[in-house]
This record gives sequence, C-alpha cells and structure tokens, in this order.
Amino acid sequence: DTAVSQTPKYLVTQMGNDKSIKCEQNLGHDTMYWYKQDSKKFLKIMFSYNNKELIINETVPNRFSPKSPDKAHLNLHINSLELGDSAVYFCASSHRTSGSYGYTFGSGTRLTVV
Amino acid sequence: AQSVTQLGSHVSVSEGALVLLRCNYSSSVPPYLFWYVQYPNQGLQLLLKYTSAATLVKGINGFEAEFKKSETSFHLTKPSAHMSDAAEYFCAVSESYGGATNKLIFGTGTLLAVQP
Repeated sequence: DTAVSQTPKYLVTQMGNDKSIKCEQNLGHDTMYWYKQDSKKFLKIMFSYNNKELIINETVPNRFSPKSPDKAHLNLHINSLELGDSAVYFCASSHRTSGSYGYTFGSGTRLTVV
Repeated sequence: AQSVTQLGSHVSVSEGALVLLRCNYSSSVPPYLFWYVQYPNQGLQLLLKYTSAATLVKGINGFEAEFKKSETSFHLTKPSAHMSDAAEYFCAVSESYGGATNKLIFGTGTLLAVQP
C-alpha cells in the first residue's frame, strides 16, 4: 500500500480552468501539507492541515483552496489556472507535535497549464 | 527564521568515488535537520535525519551525515558512489510554526551526477 498517494500524477489543462488534486495518507499521521516545486526544483510550503484544521497558510493566491474532509485526506482546488501555476505539487504528512519526525511525501502531481 | 544553504547546485563524481554534498544551516535554536533524495519524476524520500542525539547520523543506501555545531554544517557523504545514486538531494531544517506545528524549509537542492 502506498503511504501517501496523490491523484492525478499528470494534469494538463488550459488557462482559466479549475482543477483539483487529491491526496490520501494511510500512515495515521495527523498533519498533512501541500508543497509546490517550481521549474528550478525549489520546494516551498503552501498549506498545512492538522485534524481538518488549517494551521499553515503561506502567501498563496486565494485561487488555491485546500480542503481536508478528514485527517487522512487533503485536497487542493485551484481556480482560474494561470501559466505560472505550472509546477509539481507534492502532498506530505507527518506527526504534528514534533519537528523531529520529518515528512512522508507523495510522488507528486505535475501540473502543466497551457 | 531558520534556513539551509546547499553549496553547489551540481556535483559530479566518478563511480566508486567519495560523495560529499554540502549543507549549512542557520538557526537560533538546536535544529532538526534532514536530507531527502528525489529520483527523476518521483517524490522525496527521507535519507536521514539529525534530532540532537548522535552527531554522526547513518541513513539508507550507505549515506551518512555529521552535525557540526561549530561549523553550522550538516554535510552528506557516501564513501563510494554508485550509478544508482544519481538524483537530486535536498537538505532541510524543521522550523516551529506558532508552537502548534512545524514546517520543513528546504535548500535549493544539489543534483548529483555519477560518471561511469
């Protein structure tokens, strides 16, 4: 069983469309994250949820809206897609209370906006 | 704010040679430090982590890293490179976020090439 799974793996869409990426973890972790990796491979945190509660919201355009129906799932919805949204989006999970555990990452969703 | 700096965006070694990937951190408190590896078109996999126990940390695939407080460094090494080690390597530091959680802050990555 995959620990952190994301769907879809690839997403090609036109500017202006709305799309969603889904993430699920079966590790029993209580915190989940979305990271964006740009074309230079730089990784930046976007959001974090703990037990369905939003706890980290970095400076991300409000076209991006995360949703966590339960602590095992964290989805990312993006409205009015722009060319600059093209990137690889990674979901991750961890134990909340300590920074010593590190994260478990999904395999990523490569979003291409044309 | 905490940060990590990876010196050298590209490192090339011959198969069988020593691998040394450099990472320096900036932190006002004892840090939690990590090395992750990313193979092409894949997610990030944890190689090893420093959590204030032993300063020499052993990880998977024969990698190890040494925490040196005096040099604020956490360099990654492997005695003998293998072709399968070719990948992107990221150093990261864990930063407390409002006392409620933490976030990983990544360096800019080092692409390791292994020549036959």
